Amino acid sequence: GAVVSQHPSWVICKSGTSVKIECRSLDFQATTMFWYRQFPKQSLMLMATSNEGSKATYEQGVEKDKFLINHASLTLSTLTVTSAHPEDSSFYICSARDGTGFAYGYTFGSGTRLTVV
Amino acid sequence: GDSVTQMEGPVTLSEEAFLTINCTYTATGYPSLFWYVQYPGEGLQLLLKATKADDKGSNKGFEATYRKETTSFHLEKGSVQVSDSAVYFCALSRIQGAQKLVFGQGTRLTINP
Repeated sequence: GAVVSQHPSWVICKSGTSVKIECRSLDFQATTMFWYRQFPKQSLMLMATSNEGSKATYEQGVEKDKFLINHASLTLSTLTVTSAHPEDSSFYICSARDGTGFAYGYTFGSGTRLTVV
Repeated sequence: GDSVTQMEGPVTLSEEAFLTINCTYTATGYPSLFWYVQYPGEGLQLLLKATKADDKGSNKGFEATYRKETTSFHLEKGSVQVSDSAVYFCALSRIQGAQKLVFGQGTRLTINP
């Protein structure tokens, strides 16, 4: 089945630095990828929809200059948290839409736990 | 806009008990419906899905039927195991348009031996 690889699985960074998270579709081409943020014991909050070769579409309230998304190829999307601060600490999860027609689905990465100190 | 509402948790059951997690949705037309499961510290795994009314999705002993008349997609399992302890998310999406998944708030399930 479809596999999405997300790296790193966890990262600790200092306040003010930037962190890049990668999301790769390993055995399929992902025209559309999604980035979520999840707070402890809460549901997933969609941050942005990433389309290959075009600008990402951000959800209302998400700072596009802080959370930079690049989807330069059909198998790779990246999320860069710029000038990270402790309040950016969270669990970030990517997802890719796979399949066509009624056979479509969504495959999720294993998530990245970001801790900003 | 589209939305999904799940029964509030947490839910605690004994092993071999019957499980129902309610899920209702608000959407026009015929969205696709999904159940995902999340184990601690991991991403989400697809549990089952249904793409049209009266479809029944099933996997690993779990079942859910797409009920258009009640706009529901309740998750059931006849006999739960300790290994079923996880967070369960109901979600919907559309084939066309935004194509994004709309999630319910999640239900934390704990199964005691």
